[in-house]
Amino acid sequence: SQELEQSPQSLIVQEGKNLTINCTSSKTLYGLYWYKQKYGEGLIFLMMLQKGGEEKSHEKITAKLDEKKQQSSLHITASQPSHAGIYLCGADMVAGNQFYFGTGTSLTVIP
Amino acid sequence: NAGVTQTPKFRILKIGQSMTLQCAQDMNHNYMYWYRQDPGMGLKLIYYSVGAGITDKGEVPNGYNVSRSTTEDFPLRLELAAPSQTSVYFCASSYYQQGGQPQHFGDGTRLSIL
Repeated sequence: SQELEQSPQSLIVQEGKNLTINCTSSKTLYGLYWYKQKYGEGLIFLMMLQKGGEEKSHEKITAKLDEKKQQSSLHITASQPSHAGIYLCGADMVAGNQFYFGTGTSLTVIP
Repeated sequence: NAGVTQTPKFRILKIGQSMTLQCAQDMNHNYMYWYRQDPGMGLKLIYYSVGAGITDKGEVPNGYNVSRSTTEDFPLRLELAAPSQTSVYFCASSYYQQGGQPQHFGDGTRLSIL
């Protein structure tokens, strides 16, 4: 079973278009983390959300965590080829000491 | 800053061979983790450690062993390599888990078992 469901699995967008990636859990999350992975490389930390309703932005990327702390979205505005890669959400649950990752979203941005 | 260093970057093993994947961090993090990443499956936690001398199983520990004798090092051991262990392995570290601290990742070890 997958603790974190991520959608869509892949996205192909034209440069300049906006896009959204979703991450959903059936359990309440203690902390939600977004990472980006370039093909063949390690994970780079993007943002962390802890409070219900929290929203954070960095450059053209905005992440939100819902009030129930079970769903998060990552929104990219005016996508660029440099945004291409695999985006993964990760979370630690309120109960337990483990960390879980979603299955990832592969993003391709066509110039 | 080195951060999290994994060695080797690539390795090919024969079925039944053993090897140790090395992981070292220089950030004085107390938590360390080992994940495997299979295509389309995201990352699965193999083992983690909350400090020197303390380790615990993650989601997929079978076929692996770990030790944590120092804060800096967290090696992952494969005793009898099987084709199902072909994967990309990532090591990560953080200050502590449920305190809002992100994990820092190494560049990965690509392991093929033939």
